[in-house]
Amino acid sequence: GAGVSQSPSNKVTEKGKDVELRCDPISGHTALYWYRQRLGQGLEFLIYFQGNSAPDKSGLPSDRFSAERTGESVSTLTIQRTQQEDSAVYLCASSLGPQVYGYTFGSGTRLTVV
Amino acid sequence: SQQGEEDPQALSIQEGENATMNCSYKTSINNLQWYRQNSGRGLVHLILIRSNEREKHSGRLRVTLDTSKKSSSLLITASRAADTASYFCATASGAGSYQLTFGKGTKLSVIP
Repeated sequence: GAGVSQSPSNKVTEKGKDVELRCDPISGHTALYWYRQRLGQGLEFLIYFQGNSAPDKSGLPSDRFSAERTGESVSTLTIQRTQQEDSAVYLCASSLGPQVYGYTFGSGTRLTVV
Repeated sequence: SQQGEEDPQALSIQEGENATMNCSYKTSINNLQWYRQNSGRGLVHLILIRSNEREKHSGRLRVTLDTSKKSSSLLITASRAADTASYFCATASGAGSYQLTFGKGTKLSVIP
C-alpha cells in the first residue's frame, strides 16, 4: 500500500482481556518495528522484524506481549491479560531494510485499558 | 532508556519567527533523524543527517550535527501555524543501525 496502515485506530478494553493490534507495512519494506508511546512521552522500542523473524525482542516489556509477522507483510502485536499501564499509543513503522534511512510510521492504535 | 533529549520541552513563537530545537545524545551514532508528530499519532520523517555530516537543509528546515558535543539542532525558518506539532530527534547507533532511540520531544506552538 501507499503507507503503513494500522488497525484498529482506537481500542478500549477491559483489564484482563487480550487485544490484538495489526500493522500493514509498505509493500516491499522488509523491516518492521513496533513502538509504544505513553502520554506525553517519547517512543519506546518494543520489537523489530527483519522479514518474518524477530532478531530483537528486547523491548517487549513482559511475557504478556508477543508479536508475529507473516509473509514478510502483516504483523500483529498481541497483549494478553491487559493491564492499565498498557494504555498507550502503539505505533508501527517500516523501512526498506535493516539499515535505517528513515522510518514510515502508521497512525497508531490508541489502546485504553479500563 | 532515552538516548536523545530535546530542549526545550515546549516552545511558543509567533508566526514568521524562526524556531530552534536542540537534541543531545549519549552514545556514538551512525545517523540522527528528526520526526514530527501531530496530535499524538503517527510520526513523519523530516530529515536524516549522517555522523560524517555537519549540516543539512530541506526546504525551511536546517539541521546541524556536532558529534564532538553529541548534539544536534533543528531550525525551522519563517514558521507557520501549520508547523505546530511535537518534534522528536532519534538516533541510530550500533551494528545494523536498525533501532531508533527517540527523545521525549519538543512541543512547538506557532501562534498566528
